[in-house]
Amino acid sequence: IVLTQSPATLSLSPGERATLSCRASHSVSTYLAWYQQKPGQAPRLLIYDASSRATGIPARFSGSGSGTDFTLTISSLEPEDFAVYYCQQRSNWPSIAFGQGTRLEIK
Amino acid sequence: QEQLQESGPGLVKPSETLSLTCTVSGGSISRSSYYWGWIRQSPGKGLEWIGTIYSSGTTYYNPSLRSRVTVSVDMSKNQFSLRLSSVTAADTAVYYCVSSVFREVQVDFWGRGTLVTVSS
Repeated sequence: IVLTQSPATLSLSPGERATLSCRASHSVSTYLAWYQQKPGQAPRLLIYDASSRATGIPARFSGSGSGTDFTLTISSLEPEDFAVYYCQQRSNWPSIAFGQGTRLEIK
Repeated sequence: QEQLQESGPGLVKPSETLSLTCTVSGGSISRSSYYWGWIRQSPGKGLEWIGTIYSSGTTYYNPSLRSRVTVSVDMSKNQFSLRLSSVTAADTAVYYCVSSVFREVQVDFWGRGTLVTVSS
């Protein structure tokens, strides 16, 4: 199952709303997670099971979707939110597949 | 909270074998329902799952790498390891060791990652 993220790059200003998309080539039910990655760091888990926030993740991050279409929304961007975001599916446990990432940059 | 730390050579010659070890602290590697694995990240291929192992020794590999990969576990040292044979420049990447709980979608814990460069 291939995950396709869009857009590849998203340019926004602090305080704006960010909407990131992840589309699966076949249904993955809700077996989807989202990660944030900053330069030189490992990915950080944000969302699991498509819509559950991980421990310590601010409420401005939310996930939605099921089947083949998923969305990560950041309601009001903070300066520390500018990073690369990846979606990940695990419909065939334990194999893991990631999307190619969306770079969220400051406009 | 558990921590994972990769170790191993940062430079490997083409055609040789890449070997990395992950040391787990803050919890036993033999815990029920915990699975241990490796993920790599290269500019050309993004994030790629390599393989996963359970403390029983059961392994699961990415089909695209299966012929070259071995993941093993050493419970006496609370470590697990990766061996990737016949490496080429395409295997140059940051290698992460990771942990997951059985049947959960997400990767719960990541090591900091270690850069391995394949070059003569």
